[in-house]
Amino acid sequence: SQTIHQWPATLVQPVGSPLSLECTVEGTSNPNLYWYRQAAGRGLQLLFYSVGIGQISSEVPQNLSASRPQDRQFILSSKKLLLSDSGFYLCAWSVGQVMGQPQHFGDGTRLSIL
Amino acid sequence: AQKVTQAQTEISVVEKEDVTLDCVYETRDTTYYLFWYKQPPSGELVFLIRRNSFDEQNEISGRYSWNFQKSTSSFNFTITASQVVDSAVYFCALSERISGGTSYGKLTFGQGTILTVHP
Repeated sequence: SQTIHQWPATLVQPVGSPLSLECTVEGTSNPNLYWYRQAAGRGLQLLFYSVGIGQISSEVPQNLSASRPQDRQFILSSKKLLLSDSGFYLCAWSVGQVMGQPQHFGDGTRLSIL
Repeated sequence: AQKVTQAQTEISVVEKEDVTLDCVYETRDTTYYLFWYKQPPSGELVFLIRRNSFDEQNEISGRYSWNFQKSTSSFNFTITASQVVDSAVYFCALSERISGGTSYGKLTFGQGTILTVHP
């Protein structure tokens, strides 16, 4: 069966520090991968999605970047964190190349910027 | 552009009451998929159901039921005899159309409805 791992679960970082959140998927090949941010426990904002290695699409211009160095690995990064980067970050995967597939989410990372 | 509206921001009920969460969507596609997700206080999103645009049959799974009506562009979710463990944020979502012949699986999410079930 497929599983998705996301870490760390909680992170406290000072303003201006770098960020690296990692997400890996097991049990499937060539998945679509997604990074979301959720502020104040409400709506989901899609930040990045990827349909293959090295293929990253950005949905919202911002202080963050994403990379997909391996088929089942998706990394969210920042060189200098801002206070506004605080939030709950979720990674998700879905079956690639097929419309209408559900997305399956990791447990999320709670990021606090001080 | 596609849009999903969950007009109910917050709902509060007492245990054993029935509750319906509304979802209205907009799309120009003739083929699309609708989803419901549950986000408990622990934070992870749990996939509940998927429905394609050609299947208007209602679905029941235990205390959960879903009513899909294309005529009103709605995909409502009812919890019968609610329990405290049903307290969560519930999201409705719509699949986005295939672009350039390649599906990238993006979903349009509603803003969510916070359901609180009191004992």
